[in-house]
Amino acid sequence: NSKVIQTPRYLVKGQGQKAKMRCIPEKGHPVVFWYQQNKNNEFKFLINFQNQEVLQQIDMTEKRFSAECPSNSPCSLEIQSSEAGDSALYLCASSLGNYAEQFFGPGTRLTVL
Amino acid sequence: GDKVKQSPSALSLQEGTNSALRCNFSIAATTVQWFLQNPRGSLINLFYLVPGTKENGRLKSTFNSKESYSTLHIRDAQLEDSGTYFCAAENNYAQGLTFGLGTRVSVFP
Repeated sequence: NSKVIQTPRYLVKGQGQKAKMRCIPEKGHPVVFWYQQNKNNEFKFLINFQNQEVLQQIDMTEKRFSAECPSNSPCSLEIQSSEAGDSALYLCASSLGNYAEQFFGPGTRLTVL
Repeated sequence: GDKVKQSPSALSLQEGTNSALRCNFSIAATTVQWFLQNPRGSLINLFYLVPGTKENGRLKSTFNSKESYSTLHIRDAQLEDSGTYFCAAENNYAQGLTFGLGTRVSVFP
């Protein structure tokens, strides 16, 4: 189904530590999205990119999260100082356009102790 | 979950039976995607819909943008259909997909 690759699958961090996860979109997909899915199945859009440029991000992402999609390297999402409330499944998706079918990776499950 | 309401929240089906899942939208959805999330967390694409109907094997989905809803029909349920089904809508105002809270489906022999 999807060819989006995410690493690592699991990540365990202490509060205040940095947490970094990576995503390789499907080949030929210029648009990348990051979502957070919490234990209550609530999905939150975090940020999206078209090639290397940020299209939109929410406030939370602007303040504690940093993300980039450098050319010829995996995209990454990093939490600068992890909090317990950041424990969630982080999903990366890619698509052919900003309003097109999205394909998801298997996710990185972050646990903040 | 307020903008995209999924029902029911959980469903138990006997193998071989049929059922329907529904999403109601309080946003002006332009496209809808349906996913099945397996126990490992992977989201499997089932349907991508502009207004209309699509069918794939035992699954059939409809998106009615005028009445703001989408349905997913499962025919002849099999054990491997178990998992959590999510619908997600796109609209012209929000970036990314707006997801419902899912329908947890359990198929038993």
